[in-house]
Amino acid sequence: QKEVEQDPGPLSVPEGAIVSLNCTYSNSAFQYFMWYRQYSRKGPELLMYTYSSGNKEDGRFTAQVDKSSKYISLFIRDSQPSDSATYLCAANSGNTPLVFGKGTRLSVIA
Amino acid sequence: DTGVSQDPRHKITKRGQNVTFRCDPISEHNRLYWYRQTLGQGPEFLTYFQNEAQLEKSRLLSDRFSAERPKGSFSTLEIQRTEQGDSAMYLCASSFSGQGYTFGSGTRLTVV
Repeated sequence: QKEVEQDPGPLSVPEGAIVSLNCTYSNSAFQYFMWYRQYSRKGPELLMYTYSSGNKEDGRFTAQVDKSSKYISLFIRDSQPSDSATYLCAANSGNTPLVFGKGTRLSVIA
Repeated sequence: DTGVSQDPRHKITKRGQNVTFRCDPISEHNRLYWYRQTLGQGPEFLTYFQNEAQLEKSRLLSDRFSAERPKGSFSTLEIQRTEQGDSAMYLCASSFSGQGYTFGSGTRLTVV
């Protein structure tokens, strides 16, 4: 079992839809949770950074962490065609290297 | 500072040749990471440095791979006797004390 599991999709939604992206993890020591966005042939770009359980909102993006169920979510409101990318969840325990999921490929159709 | 810079962007090499990639991190960052990413997969950790010290190496890093970070500045990743299975995107990232990694655009290696 990989430490961070993510459904690779692909996921296709109409413009304006609410997108829900999810990951699960197995390492109880993980305390820091991140979402990265990666466009084709580019490096990952940090979107959201969360410590421990709870919600964090930034514009159209909301990250949620539920440590009791080891579940990580990213919600995108009012999705735009420019949101079409691969979304990677990642986690670590602070001093250890980030562990990434496989990534979910999202297409937002105009 | 324009972020993490990687060179070259794309490298095509024949099987058995040696290749070297360079990463210039954000200057204020003390940690530097190397990851490998293949098609349809997330980045996989290879190794990382805190300043000039190499603190951890993944089991993915066979003895054909070596990384250096002289004087805690830029880093190089060398692959000796390349194999077709080494074809991947090699990503470098930097951070300040392990939080919020900033990635470069990567070096895409194709072994023919």
